[in-house]
Amino acid sequence: DAGVIQSPRHEVTEMGQEVTLRCKPISGHDYLFWYRQTMMRGLELLIYFNNNVPIDDSGMPEDRFSAKMPNASFSTLKIQPSEPRDSAVYFCASSTTPGQGSSYEQYFGPGTRLTVT
Amino acid sequence: AQSVTQLDSQVPVFEEAPVELRCNYSSSVSVYLFWYVQYPNQGLQLLLKYLSGSTLVKGINGFEAEFNKSQTSFHLRKPSVHISDTAEYFCAVGKGSNFGNEKLTFGTGTRLTIIP
Repeated sequence: DAGVIQSPRHEVTEMGQEVTLRCKPISGHDYLFWYRQTMMRGLELLIYFNNNVPIDDSGMPEDRFSAKMPNASFSTLKIQPSEPRDSAVYFCASSTTPGQGSSYEQYFGPGTRLTVT
Repeated sequence: AQSVTQLDSQVPVFEEAPVELRCNYSSSVSVYLFWYVQYPNQGLQLLLKYLSGSTLVKGINGFEAEFNKSQTSFHLRKPSVHISDTAEYFCAVGKGSNFGNEKLTFGTGTRLTIIP
């Protein structure tokens, strides 16, 4: 399996622009997580989906952030408009339903490094 | 709610020396515990996990951890470190079964630096 795939790996944009980050989870995984990592706040869970349905978006910082999962193999995280404080590494992770032979492990993608100037 | 505390933000260790990275957690329910490693410019990957059974858990790359319920700790150890162990290490906790255990709470990480 190719693992969790994220694109782009690096994104540099100007304040006010729309940014879209993409994620392809591991095939067969039914949970998808979006995290943000910064030096100041560490690793934060933004939102997660189960079977393409958002379960908990309490970590989404504000209305400028939105996430969708139109099908089992694709998710997007959108920031509109972007601000310099959104600069961070954004990770996507996927896992399987506990109890179905899974190890409860979340598999992480390589991340997208976002810089907003 | 559950939380994870990694007391040491940075740990420098000489090559071939032993190392212990500390992790304490708090939770009102039973837990699953994990250690992840993040190499520079990469995502996190699982080192080891405790779900149940033996409290001493062995993982990849010669690492092991011991679950201590009375002290609510899950410290990571390696008897002899190598330059390639330089990375950031994250402790994470998830709720045990029957408690909605799909989410993990991560600690703030410990940066392990191996000195030649």
